Amino acid sequence: DAGVTQSPTHLIKTRGQQVTLRCSPKSGHDTVSWYQQALGQGPQFIFQYYEEEERQRGNFPDRFSGHQFPNYSSELNVNALLLGDSALYLCASSSTLNTEAFFGQGTRLTVV
Amino acid sequence: AQSVAQPEDQVNVAEGNPLTVKCTYSVSGNPYLFWYVQYPNRGLQFLLKYITGDNLVKGSYGFEAEFNKSQTSFHLKKPSALVSDSALYFCAVRDRTGGSTLGRLYFGRGTQLTVWP
Repeated sequence: DAGVTQSPTHLIKTRGQQVTLRCSPKSGHDTVSWYQQALGQGPQFIFQYYEEEERQRGNFPDRFSGHQFPNYSSELNVNALLLGDSALYLCASSSTLNTEAFFGQGTRLTVV
Repeated sequence: AQSVAQPEDQVNVAEGNPLTVKCTYSVSGNPYLFWYVQYPNRGLQFLLKYITGDNLVKGSYGFEAEFNKSQTSFHLKKPSALVSDSALYFCAVRDRTGGSTLGRLYFGRGTQLTVWP
């Protein structure tokens, strides 16, 4: 049983560019959440998708947007990248049968 | 505002000794409580959770955690530490509004556990 998978694992972007990160949830999970983990910090909630709709959003600007597809996979898009967007981006999936979230290995984004 | 505090950035213990990683929280209502572990350049791995019932919960790899409602704490413990337990540990909470799946996780800053031989 595959767990939560994220792609790519690493990428480097230039300031002002746009980036798309992808996440496939654990089999049987229908809810996907995205977190940003800056160096030396705990993960910070970006937003959560359920039934293809954004259900909750953290304190992140509109440059951060997302999407959930009918197969429950999800994308995180970040526009107009800033140096401060450099971080590990984590995707977590969950379902109505679980209270805990399962995390992917993350995407390490470096903005130069 | 919801918050989670891990008062120690680092915990160092000798192999075979008991370990405790502390966590306190400030969340309205009766939240779900979790511990996750993170190895270098990896995502978060679920260790254990408290939902309801017995205040002492057991999880993976011999870890357990003690819930104390009056002190709003959820400390992670292990009777005998292993060198392989060395990693970054995160405490997280989620409030119960919106059902069991909806709702964000609030994380602490993390505690680096080092177990020396």
